[in-house]
Amino acid sequence: DTEVTQTPKHLVMGMTNKKSLKCEQHMGHRAMYWYKQKAKKPPELMFVYSYEKLSINESVPSRFSPECPNSSLLNLHLHALQPEDSALYLCASSQEATHGGELFFGEGSRLTVL
Amino acid sequence: RKEVEQDPGPFNVPEGATVAFNCTYSNSASQSFFWYRQDCRKEPKLLMSVYSSGNEDGRFTAQLNRASQYISLLIRDSKLSDSATYLCVVTPNTGNQFYFGTGTSLTVIP
Repeated sequence: DTEVTQTPKHLVMGMTNKKSLKCEQHMGHRAMYWYKQKAKKPPELMFVYSYEKLSINESVPSRFSPECPNSSLLNLHLHALQPEDSALYLCASSQEATHGGELFFGEGSRLTVL
Repeated sequence: RKEVEQDPGPFNVPEGATVAFNCTYSNSASQSFFWYRQDCRKEPKLLMSVYSSGNEDGRFTAQLNRASQYISLLIRDSKLSDSATYLCVVTPNTGNQFYFGTGTSLTVIP
């Protein structure tokens, strides 16, 4: 059982839709991440939140908008996506960096953009 | 230069074989090292952390060589269920930065 919960597991959307991906963890982790993963590639970092503040944005297009409402929740708002944005979107959490802990991943949200 | 280099394979081995994967990392300040396993269309899951002294968990042995800046994973007596992609992950323990290798695909053949 994963301790990072993501919803929805699957999402199909058109290029004009607005949707959101949600992630929740109750491990007391203060760092939360969004990764994008394409088939046969490693996860690619999009955003990192540390203590509820955005600390890393890997030059992600503005059609992806992250939000961290509190220390347990992380959202990814999607708007005007392109078909090439179809991928597995993984949320992860970890202890703060200096503690040296590992990443815990959710099961992912598989997104298809038509 | 990539932070982490990993042979993508694929590795196709018979059941019962021993197989080894290596990753090299470029940042000498790296502090924590991990092997993750990822099954097809699933999320990565931690297989093992890697310690300087080396560590073993059943058929799996992980080693770290700081001088040469590489980590390794040895799988003994391969099982069909070991078929997956194995990702090495390295972090300097600062800035919440985790660096991924490209992943090595393993298929264990009956």
